[in-house]
Amino acid sequence: EDKVVQSPLSLVVHEGDTVTLNCSYEVTNFRSLLWYKQEKKAPTFLFMLTSSGIEKKSGRLSSILDKKELFSILNITATQTGDSAVYLCVREDSNYQLIWGAGTKLIIKP
Amino acid sequence: DAGVIQSPRHEVTEMGQEVTLRCKPISGHDYLFWYRQTMMRGLELLIYFNNNVPIDDSGMPEDRFSAKMPNASFSTLKIQPSEPRDSAVYFCASSLHSAKNIQYFGAGTRLSVL
Repeated sequence: EDKVVQSPLSLVVHEGDTVTLNCSYEVTNFRSLLWYKQEKKAPTFLFMLTSSGIEKKSGRLSSILDKKELFSILNITATQTGDSAVYLCVREDSNYQLIWGAGTKLIIKP
Repeated sequence: DAGVIQSPRHEVTEMGQEVTLRCKPISGHDYLFWYRQTMMRGLELLIYFNNNVPIDDSGMPEDRFSAKMPNASFSTLKIQPSEPRDSAVYFCASSLHSAKNIQYFGAGTRLSVL
């Protein structure tokens, strides 16, 4: 089945902690994998990954893809309360279709 | 650019009424997407357009839902008749032809059908 599975479903940590969010997918029909952040309103784009082993980085956030093992991780270091959000993983297949994961709800406590 | 603009932001209606949601994509974007988001089902793609032409409407739940894009700067999603199970947040998003997967979302319309 063509699914994108994210884990954990929710996570509560304290400010300053480092978190790792996981995303796995089940088919090799693949063009790209994307991460979005959704705060109270609409999802906003974070990263697009197309090649294995190449880390994408933006400030305290980074992400990497493993196309052999069919997963990606999103790391956030030195978390801040503003990082509290739902993080969505999306797989784009070779037909340009997007398959969205259910998201990981991250709560950062001060 | 003002981004993707959706209206209304909130809509409360009674079962059986017609609901029309509106979207103005980012100028110059070729793709427009309509999504529905609920706690139970997450984010679901309903339909998307390329250059105003509907490409894939397989996500439209049933005939009560219809979407149009009469021009490059405007799209509507209509539900007629509405039912309580249609209650959700409806997002519109747009993207460029060169980067279809990098989508810019509007703020959404929160629909409550009583």
